[in-house]
Amino acid sequence: QKEVEQDPGPLSVPEGAIVSLNCTYSNSAFQYFMWYRQYSRKGPELLMYTYSSGNKEDGRFTAQVDKSSKYISLFIRDSQPSDSATYLCAMPRSSASKIIFGSGTRLSIRP
Amino acid sequence: GAGVSQSPSNKVTEKGKDVELRCDPISGHTALYWYRQSLGQGLEFLIYFQGNSAPDKSGLPSDRFSAERTGGSVSTLTIQRTQQEDSAVYLCASSLDEGTYEQYFGPGTRLTVT
Repeated sequence: QKEVEQDPGPLSVPEGAIVSLNCTYSNSAFQYFMWYRQYSRKGPELLMYTYSSGNKEDGRFTAQVDKSSKYISLFIRDSQPSDSATYLCAMPRSSASKIIFGSGTRLSIRP
Repeated sequence: GAGVSQSPSNKVTEKGKDVELRCDPISGHTALYWYRQSLGQGLEFLIYFQGNSAPDKSGLPSDRFSAERTGGSVSTLTIQRTQQEDSAVYLCASSLDEGTYEQYFGPGTRLTVT
């Protein structure tokens, strides 16, 4: 079993829809959770990070962590075609050098 | 400000040749990371540097892979006697220091071994 599991998609939704992207993890020691966005032929860019359970909001993006279920989500409201990208979740195992990345979910927003 | 830069952006090489990939981290970032990303796969950790030292080389897939960092800045990843399975995107990232989780990535070098 991988430490971090992420549905690869692709996920295709119409513009304006609410998108839900998810990861599950197996290591209860994970305490810090990040979401990266990667456009085609570009490097990943950090989108959001959170330490704690609950929700963290940043504009149209909300990161949600449920440590009891070992489940994290990224919600995108009012999705735009420019949100079309691959989204990767990431968690440090014990140090910054040991970050485990999900395999990414490819998202496509249809105009 | 300037982000992480990598060169070349694309590299096509013949099997058995050596290649060098370069990374210029964000100025002032002391930690530098190399990852490999194959099609449809997540990021595979290769090596990280704190300053010029590489405390963790555990991800290097074979002794054909090596990396160095000089002046606490530029890093070079070298692959000797390239194989077709080395074809991938090689990503470099930097962070403020080894204790900072947020890493900033370069655009990557797409390596194709024919």
